[in-house]
Amino acid sequence: DIVMTQSPDSLAVSLGERATINCKSGQSVLYSSTNKNYIAWYQQKPGQPPKLLISWASTRESGVPERFSGSGSGTDFTLTISSLQAEDVAVYYCQQYYSNSLTFGGGTKVEIK
Amino acid sequence: EAQLVESGGGLVQPGGSLRVSCAATGFSFSGYAMSWVRQAPGKGLEWVSGISGTGGRTYYADSVRGRFTISRDNSKNTLDLQMSSLRGDDTAIYFCAKDQYSGGLRYFDLWGRGTLVIVSS
Repeated sequence: DIVMTQSPDSLAVSLGERATINCKSGQSVLYSSTNKNYIAWYQQKPGQPPKLLISWASTRESGVPERFSGSGSGTDFTLTISSLQAEDVAVYYCQQYYSNSLTFGGGTKVEIK
Repeated sequence: EAQLVESGGGLVQPGGSLRVSCAATGFSFSGYAMSWVRQAPGKGLEWVSGISGTGGRTYYADSVRGRFTISRDNSKNTLDLQMSSLRGDDTAIYFCAKDQYSGGLRYFDLWGRGTLVIVSS
């Protein structure tokens, strides 16, 4: 299985400041034939199911605020919240779909400083 | 509005069996692969099993292969997970999740609210 490692485990950011979450895959998830990175990002608020934010490493889902962006390629990926809002307090997960044995990162908890 | 609603969770003894189900509404169910994803109390997400849109291909995590069976009924728009030889570490909320794709597994653009399975004596 492809191991997904997220860092940090948690971070506290002031309102309006930038939050950066890292995700590293145990092998490249860049599919050469499509030139796409098979990475998704989810947001999970307490008591709720996860919500899809980003697919293909950097494609924002419809309705997701522009302050959320994804970047990276190969084995190293980043989710950035450019200006943290109170409603962004949540746990964020990366997921690889390069392999049909899907795997998630351990999650990063984002809180307000 | 597209929706997934899980049912069938509960308390089961170690070594026992349980079947959880997911009812899908508001989208063309047979056109998408589906998966089960679980979350142990206070822990992260773990993909458990997936099935293609036609039901012809199934996929399992190593932790459940040989104990769990995924199936779907496209005439009833339902997804099932039959769980047997249950262990304490199977205790979790089980989420039903709709894939973005039909032929295999990718990422999930719709989730249910989950059903809680507790394995304990």
